Amino acid sequence: DTGVSQDPRHKITKRGQNVTFRCDPISEHNRLYWYRQTLGQGPEFLTYFQNEAQLEKSRLLSDRFSAERPKGSFSTLEIQRTEQGDSAMYLCASSYRTRQGEKRGADTQYFGPGTRLTVL
Amino acid sequence: AQSVTQLGSHVSVSEGALVLLRCNYSSSVPPYLFWYVQYPNQGLQLLLKYTSAATLVKGINGFEAEFKKSETSFHLTKPSAHMSDAAEYFCAVRRSLPGGTSYGKLTFGQGTILTVHP
Repeated sequence: DTGVSQDPRHKITKRGQNVTFRCDPISEHNRLYWYRQTLGQGPEFLTYFQNEAQLEKSRLLSDRFSAERPKGSFSTLEIQRTEQGDSAMYLCASSYRTRQGEKRGADTQYFGPGTRLTVL
Repeated sequence: AQSVTQLGSHVSVSEGALVLLRCNYSSSVPPYLFWYVQYPNQGLQLLLKYTSAATLVKGINGFEAEFKKSETSFHLTKPSAHMSDAAEYFCAVRRSLPGGTSYGKLTFGQGTILTVHP
């Protein structure tokens, strides 16, 4: 079990540029989540996938943001036309949701180290 | 909608002293509750979680938390602080009703930075 990995760890870009982040979840985890964390705040939910299906998106996810998980494994988060307000830490988490046994909603989300985005 | 309030953005204790980090939640039904710890430049690590079994939950690194429905609280405690406990701690809530679109996401509090003095 190698844990959740994210790439890159740091990204500096100029306003108006597009950026893409990648998240590799723990192997066999069927759920994948994206959160955003700004300085001094707790993480805020952006979106999540069960396998390749995107099940929920936050209102924080404007039309400049898009996330994919094409084969139910890794995921990408793209931000188009970046703005200075997009500067934040982008966190990815994964979990394994079973149909039986574990109570629904009780599965543990394991977080990656995050990608820190700075928009100049 | 559920929410979480962490009382005190900064808590400072001496090494060996009791650690108490406060968390109150707002939810129409008892939710699932989590405490995570974040060390500088790292992701979040789960300390413990409440899933409607025992109200006193024991976690890693000697931490525990007690779910009190009457007080809508889930405070995190540790009897004796260690220097390595210095980090930021987040309380999070997750909706427990079957169905509904918010079943997956965690809602986090603003965090409490714990400082441990020698």
